[in-house]
Amino acid sequence: SAVISQKPSRDICQRGTSLTIQCQVDSQVTMMFWYRQQPGQSLTLIATANQGSEATYESGFVIDKFPISRPNLTFSTLTVSNMSPEDSSIYLCSVPPHLDEQFFGPGTRLTVL
Amino acid sequence: AQKITQTQPGMFVQEKEAVTLDCTYDTSDPSYGLFWYKQPSSGEMIFLIYQGSYDQQNATEGRYSLNFQKARKSANLVISASQLGDSAMYFCAMREVGGSNYKLTFGKGTLLTVNP
Repeated sequence: SAVISQKPSRDICQRGTSLTIQCQVDSQVTMMFWYRQQPGQSLTLIATANQGSEATYESGFVIDKFPISRPNLTFSTLTVSNMSPEDSSIYLCSVPPHLDEQFFGPGTRLTVL
Repeated sequence: AQKITQTQPGMFVQEKEAVTLDCTYDTSDPSYGLFWYKQPSSGEMIFLIYQGSYDQQNATEGRYSLNFQKARKSANLVISASQLGDSAMYFCAMREVGGSNYKLTFGKGTLLTVNP
């Protein structure tokens, strides 16, 4: 298994500001993902964080809005830029140490006023 | 088209009884994996069980088992001897392996309530 931590666990932010979320894994993993869960909804993949190269974004998500860094195999950050109330969600990082498992961090609960 | 379908928005079960949560999927990839997660009100996603498309036997993990019917493209989660702490959202997810892509696609979830 993998132990994943995220910071902050929750935050309340003002419209127009940015928040950077950190994800730390206790072991080296090749793949790391960022998901968003809007209120009352399921999880949607934002992007795959690639170590040493630009992240791969899913349809509907762009780098200017959700810049991602992956400086090494245990750490990644997701920034939510120029926030609006529609960005209020839980943001989760996730890693698949093996093909038959995938673990999630505890999530960052973001509220934008 | 939806790749993962969970048709039960909500389910109720009496404590100590068994419950089945439905999940059907759609893929043309011969190699795929199916996952179930539990999400309590705290928001964390707890990995419960995995079933690979080539696995001959249904997966089991403690009180959780997966009723995998490949021809029907269904992967229902069975929880035996329900406990009050099982009350949570349950998500089914699929990973299509053919493209060496580890992305998970999620269903909309089922809210399980266990009654005392």
